Amino acid sequence: DQQVKQNSPSLSVQEGRISILNCDYTNSMFDYFLWYKKYPAEGPTFLISISSIKDKNEDGRFTVFLNKSAKHLSLHIVPSQPGDSAVYFCAAKYWVTGANNLFFGTGTRLTVIP
Amino acid sequence: DGGITQSPKYLFRKEGQNVTLSCEQNLNHDAMYWYRQDPGQGLRLIYYSQIVNDFQKGDIAEGYSVSREKKESFPLTVTSAQKNPTAFYLCASSLDRSNEQFFGPGTRLTVL
Repeated sequence: DQQVKQNSPSLSVQEGRISILNCDYTNSMFDYFLWYKKYPAEGPTFLISISSIKDKNEDGRFTVFLNKSAKHLSLHIVPSQPGDSAVYFCAAKYWVTGANNLFFGTGTRLTVIP
Repeated sequence: DGGITQSPKYLFRKEGQNVTLSCEQNLNHDAMYWYRQDPGQGLRLIYYSQIVNDFQKGDIAEGYSVSREKKESFPLTVTSAQKNPTAFYLCASSLDRSNEQFFGPGTRLTVL
């Protein structure tokens, strides 16, 4: 059962415009959410995160929004750049007996068109 | 430079052979993880280890084995019992109670 879902497998955006990537989750015990960026044949790299006690976290061009009541989070990239083209994974975790296991979504492939 | 290394980047094996994937980290992280990525799917957890000489099964541990004899190393063996071993394998590590995992570059295993 997929606890973290990214329903859009792909997204295309013009350079300079806003990219919005969405993620839904089912487990209300998740207390921390992360976004990872992944290029082909490479490992994911951490992008930005948000704690469940917040509803927004911003880092440069990247902003993550969390709506706990809707169990939904989104990643906004403004302005989008061609170098942002990659697969973006949403991940979530809850603390269980010291483990730090992340639950990943299936990813959204972002293509930024020059 | 601190980081996680996985070797080799590409690996080919014949069906029925066991193969071991290497993962080394010099970040002084206590926890290490192995994930598998298949096309159209998210990363799925195979095994994880919170501390040396301890490891736990993840969601898809069948057909895999691991060891954690040293803090820096967490090798994954793909056994002949794994029915669909061809995949991209990712190793990660994290501080004991941190939220962020750092990933290695991955190993693409192809079983012929």
